[in-house]
Amino acid sequence: DTGVSQDPRHKITKRGQNVTFRCDPISEHNRLYWYRQTLGQGPEFLTYFQNEAQLEKSRLLSDRFSAERPKGSFSTLEIQRTEQGDSAMYLCASSSAVLNTEAFFGQGTRLTVV
Amino acid sequence: AQSVTQLGSHVSVSEGALVLLRCNYSSSVPPYLFWYVQYPNQGLQLLLKYTSAATLVKGINGFEAEFKKSETSFHLTKPSAHMSDAAEYFCAVSEGNQGGKLIFGQGTELSVKP
Repeated sequence: DTGVSQDPRHKITKRGQNVTFRCDPISEHNRLYWYRQTLGQGPEFLTYFQNEAQLEKSRLLSDRFSAERPKGSFSTLEIQRTEQGDSAMYLCASSSAVLNTEAFFGQGTRLTVV
Repeated sequence: AQSVTQLGSHVSVSEGALVLLRCNYSSSVPPYLFWYVQYPNQGLQLLLKYTSAATLVKGINGFEAEFKKSETSFHLTKPSAHMSDAAEYFCAVSEGNQGGKLIFGQGTELSVKP
């Protein structure tokens, strides 16, 4: 297993466009998290899945953001009508409730909205 | 509610000198505490974690941290800094289990001078 994988690593988009990011967690991990990190700040929690169920969403997750994990494996995070304030690093992490592991992070997707 | 405060957004040390990065937390239940390191445009790598076993925790790359409940602190130390230690360091807290949602501090950038 190569760890948590995120795609793409970098995305530049024009304001108003939609973007979608993908996260592939470690295969035996049933928990998946999305975080957002702006420049000079620590990561902030966005949302959390246990298997395919989205169990918690942060107030940071506006109506323009939607996350899915349809089969309890990979997850997607979509941002509609992007704004310049959406520019950030989007981090995905996974953990196992069964194995009681800590969270393992992917390399992140750097979004730049121009 | 949980929170993490990292004192000092930037710390500079000379190569070979002691590294001390400060972290104080707030939690209503016994916490799980973590230190992560982040290199530019990379994800987060776990340095060490406290999970209610030993209060002195040893991690990778010669780092260690001590959990002090009375001071609600979890400071990170390394006896002798190396140039490769230059990075951003984040302290984080999780309640309930070690694989749960993380609340991060704002980060401390460590610079190492030759």
